[in-house]
Amino acid sequence: QQQVKQSPQSLIVQKGGISIINCAYENTAFDYFPWYQQFPGKGPALLIAIRPDVSEKKEGRFTISFNKSAKQFSLHIMDSQPGDSATYFCAASIRNFNKFYFGSGTKLNVKP
Amino acid sequence: GAGVSQSPRYKVAKRGQDVALRCDPISGHVSLFWYQQALGQGPEFLTYFQNEAQLDKSGLPSDRFFAERPEGSVSTLKIQRTQQEDSAVYLCASSLRVLAGRWETQYFGPGTRLLVL
Repeated sequence: QQQVKQSPQSLIVQKGGISIINCAYENTAFDYFPWYQQFPGKGPALLIAIRPDVSEKKEGRFTISFNKSAKQFSLHIMDSQPGDSATYFCAASIRNFNKFYFGSGTKLNVKP
Repeated sequence: GAGVSQSPRYKVAKRGQDVALRCDPISGHVSLFWYQQALGQGPEFLTYFQNEAQLDKSGLPSDRFFAERPEGSVSTLKIQRTQQEDSAVYLCASSLRVLAGRWETQYFGPGTRLLVL
């Protein structure tokens, strides 16, 4: 059974718009939630990560919102650019950090 | 510095053949992970090493899959008697170390795309 559920599967956004990707989890032991960006033919690269003791983390145009009670977290990409077109994966891990559980991915296409 | 490298980048195997996939982690990284990524899916954990010790192999799908890291640096994932369902991208990641209570970024290689015919 999938530990982390991600939606939508694909997303089309106009340049300058806001891209929003959502993830949900069940295991309350998870305490580290990274987002990875993957371009075709490349491995995933860490974009931004959050711990459950904060509700929001912002780095440049990228923001993670975290709702511990709902067991949900989301990635917001402000002022989306064509160069942001990639597949985005949320993930979750437990403190001893020996494995990540990934969502199924969201393919983002930012139209110029 | 150099990132995680993997070889080969592409591998075509006939069903029943054995394959070996190599991972060179970032120099000095203690922890090494293997993931399997099916087409259109997120990576799924296979196994984890800390130095040469394989501490978690719970994700290996069958006894045909075997991983080793004999000197605590380069790792090899071996798949025996390959099946069509083994077709996927195999990703390797490394991190500086894994310590209880610490969060360490995992750095991924570009992957090896395996196609079993």
